Amino acid sequence: NAGVTQTPKFQVLKTGQSMTLQCAQDMNHNSMYWYRQDPGMGLRLIYYSASEGTTDKGEVPNGYNVSRLNKREFSLRLESAAPSQTSVYFCASSENRLNTGELFFGEGSRLTVL
Amino acid sequence: GENVEQHPSTLSVQEGDSAVIKCTYSDSASNYFPWYKQELGKRPQLIIDIRSNVGEKKDQRIAVTLNKTAKHFSLHITETQPEDSAVYFCAASIRTNAGKSTFGDGTTLTVKP
Repeated sequence: NAGVTQTPKFQVLKTGQSMTLQCAQDMNHNSMYWYRQDPGMGLRLIYYSASEGTTDKGEVPNGYNVSRLNKREFSLRLESAAPSQTSVYFCASSENRLNTGELFFGEGSRLTVL
Repeated sequence: GENVEQHPSTLSVQEGDSAVIKCTYSDSASNYFPWYKQELGKRPQLIIDIRSNVGEKKDQRIAVTLNKTAKHFSLHITETQPEDSAVYFCAASIRTNAGKSTFGDGTTLTVKP
């Protein structure tokens, strides 16, 4: 049982390049999320998918797109990377139907945009 | 939208002392308040949570209190140990959509041996 797995763990991009962060969960959770974490700023929600087939914007969606490929997988795409997108990205999942709202996070992906 | 403020941003205590971290929130509709611990270079992990119909919850050395009227909640760690050193995040959300949590900016707790 791997939980939430995200790839790659590290990536360096040049301004204007594109890339996709991949995320998969094996807990049969309905909901999946992408957060970014910047020093001293906590976790900010980029996009989320409440259930398979749906996606919605979070607090900081500009410059990103997402795809909920199936119930297990939720990818985050940067079409034209900017230095302001240098951050650590966390994918998370949750089962909101149970009597808890616990988020299960992946290990994080550290992205540097030069 | 929801706004969560967390204080202090850094906290240093001696081993064995207690540590208290406080958060305030703005949206009265929020009813789920988790606390996450993030060790250096690791992922955040839930350590305790509380729902709005409960005023206090304990789990061994950690406890959380909630005051819905004042819109604030606190994390209490007793008998701190060096392994408690980490960044702690509070969050607020509506439980049925907990992933849309609004997080505080975090508190870096250092426990000195």
